[in-house]
Amino acid sequence: GENVEQHPSTLSVQEGDSAVIKCTYSDSASNYFPWYKQELGKRPQLIIDIRSNVGEKKDQRIAVTLNKTAKHFSLHITETQPEDSAVYFCAATKGYNYGGATNKLIFGTGTLLAVQP
Amino acid sequence: DVKVTQSSRYLVKRTGEKVFLECVQDMDHENMFWYRQDPGLGLRLIYFSYDVKMKEKGDIPEGYSVSREKKERFSLILESASTNQTSMYLCASSFTSGGDIQYFGAGTRLSVL
Repeated sequence: GENVEQHPSTLSVQEGDSAVIKCTYSDSASNYFPWYKQELGKRPQLIIDIRSNVGEKKDQRIAVTLNKTAKHFSLHITETQPEDSAVYFCAATKGYNYGGATNKLIFGTGTLLAVQP
Repeated sequence: DVKVTQSSRYLVKRTGEKVFLECVQDMDHENMFWYRQDPGLGLRLIYFSYDVKMKEKGDIPEGYSVSREKKERFSLILESASTNQTSMYLCASSFTSGGDIQYFGAGTRLSVL
């Protein structure tokens, strides 16, 4: 079945440095790739997403890149700040259809990002 | 402001008890999901529902069932709780199919003793 691998599992950076988290997916039919941020004790929230017809997307200090050929996508955070400290999850759609189509996401195992002041 | 509400933040149950976890969304979303979150394993899908009374198994459905009698409410049921079901349970909902934002509840931390 569909699998999403995420690396690294933990990442520690100095404030102001960049952070990169990488994910690979197995199903070439996947076409939607969101990233969720989960702060300690809080719910996961979407921070950025990309669709398969786009190679890169930016939102202020956050960017996501997608390489469909290699089946991997990455989250880039520039000028990191202490409030960026959280667990980040990547995900990919499996493209599931049953009756009506539905978006079943497969999540990576998460990256704990610690930004040291 | 979107809202997905889970009925309990913390729950302690005994082995063998029947456990109900409730989730309500107020966004008129078609799709609702139940995930289990464990350290090092990420978010694993237990069950999802794409319409009232419709349900589909996720990746780890064993030991769980679900109910969706109304569009806004999706319940997760542990028929006979076991210690290996001690975990954080997250409910989510989304509007359209084909790739859309999932909005999560705050989670229920269940301990089975």
